[in-house]
Amino acid sequence: DGGITQSPKYLFRKEGQNVTLSCEQNLNHDAMYWYRQDPGQGLRLIYYSQIVNDFQKGDIAEGYSVSREKKESFPLTVTSAQKNPTAFYLCASSIDRGSLSEAFFGQGTRLTVV
Amino acid sequence: GQQLNQSPQSMFIQEGEDVSMNCTSSSIFNTWLWYKQEPGEGPVLLIALYKAGELTSNGRLTAQFGITRKDSFLNISASIPSDVGIYFCAGEIIQGAQKLVFGQGTRLTINP
Repeated sequence: DGGITQSPKYLFRKEGQNVTLSCEQNLNHDAMYWYRQDPGQGLRLIYYSQIVNDFQKGDIAEGYSVSREKKESFPLTVTSAQKNPTAFYLCASSIDRGSLSEAFFGQGTRLTVV
Repeated sequence: GQQLNQSPQSMFIQEGEDVSMNCTSSSIFNTWLWYKQEPGEGPVLLIALYKAGELTSNGRLTAQFGITRKDSFLNISASIPSDVGIYFCAGEIIQGAQKLVFGQGTRLTINP
């Protein structure tokens, strides 16, 4: 079945450590996105990528890094520079052809810093 | 960055009632999307709108793309318990590159 998969679903990290969240899609979508969601708030864009080997910062990119070496994969690294990393992280992908860019989401990774 | 103002932030209704929520912006969007999110899960796409003035239904859900391209609404008719969740609007904007901007969400609670 086609879809977008995030792993792990739950992740615990010690302060000062970097951690990488995985996002894989087999929908042949060009565009991929990372969002952060805090309790009671909407989704805020961290990074997005329109095409392989290219990505742009979103609204809250500080303390995060990404790579897009393959079309299917868009991993997000939460670095020790991110001051408040505990949140629910959502990855999405979309076809991104013209204006037809319905985004489909993974099930999310809940990151907790302990 | 661009902002979508979604209202209301929360709704408490009785089962069977109709629901209406909307999103507005000062920016023009090419596409409007409506999503539903349940606890601990990613948002699921409900309706996508591509043209100004477009009115689209999906079962008991109806959404419209505002004629000015700066707003959209979602209606849910005859609500049932499984409608509980958080509903998000999203707009696609093109400024250099295409990206999606999300509203803050409307949390729907239904009393049986």
